[in-house]
Amino acid sequence: AQKITQTQPGMFVQEKEAVTLDCTYDTSDPSYGLFWYKQPSSGEMIFLIYQGSYDQQNATEGRYSLNFQKARKSANLVISASQLGDSAMYFCAMREGPAGYALNFGKGTSLLVTP
Amino acid sequence: ETGVTQSPTHLIKTRGQQVTLRCSSQSGHNTVSWYQQALGQGPQFIFQYYREEENGRGNFPPRFSGLQFPNYSSELNVNALELDDSALYLCASSLAGGHSNTGELFFGEGSRLTVL
Repeated sequence: AQKITQTQPGMFVQEKEAVTLDCTYDTSDPSYGLFWYKQPSSGEMIFLIYQGSYDQQNATEGRYSLNFQKARKSANLVISASQLGDSAMYFCAMREGPAGYALNFGKGTSLLVTP
Repeated sequence: ETGVTQSPTHLIKTRGQQVTLRCSSQSGHNTVSWYQQALGQGPQFIFQYYREEENGRGNFPPRFSGLQFPNYSSELNVNALELDDSALYLCASSLAGGHSNTGELFFGEGSRLTVL
C-alpha cells in the first residue's frame, strides 16, 4: 500500500503568489517524521522542511511552511511568494519509527512558476 | 563543507552487464544510503550503510549490493543488469545512524543509468 500520496501530478502558480502542495500519509507508528524535498532538473534532492509527529507547532523554514493535520494524516507544503526558481519537482517523504532509516517518498508534484 | 558527490553522472550499459556507482559522503557524515528513482517516480530505498555494515535494506534483489569504506565513501554494485534497472541512482549521506536532529538526508545529484 502506498504510504505517501501526492495527488497533484502538476501545479501552476504565478510568481509572487502562494501555492499549496498536497501530501497525505499512512502509518500506524506513533513516531514518524515527514519531509519535503525539492528536485530541480539537475537531479539533486534538496531538503526543504521537516515535521515530527510529536511536534506541537507546524514547521516553518523561510518561505516554506508545513500544514500538519495529524488527525487527517496530511502534511501539505505551502510555498509563499513563489519565485521562478521554485519551478521543480517536489516530493513528500516519511520516515517511520524512532529508529527508522529509510524514507518513503511519494510520486511527486511538478510545480511550474510563471511570470 | 564538501557536499555529496557521485560518479559517474551518466552511463550506458547493456543487459546482463555489471555496474559500479560511487559516492563520496558529505564531510563529517558516517552513514550512506542509496535510492533508485525510475522516470516519473519518487526515489525508492535500496539500502543503508553505517560503519561499513549494511544496516537496512529495501525491497531489492541480492544482485544489488554495496560497500562502505573507512572514509565513509560508498559503492553501489548491480549485477546482471535488466532493462528495468534504468534509473537515476541517488546517494544520500547523514550523520550517526542515519539521523541528524531532524533526520534529513543530504543527496548527491545522482548517477543516471541507462540499460539497453
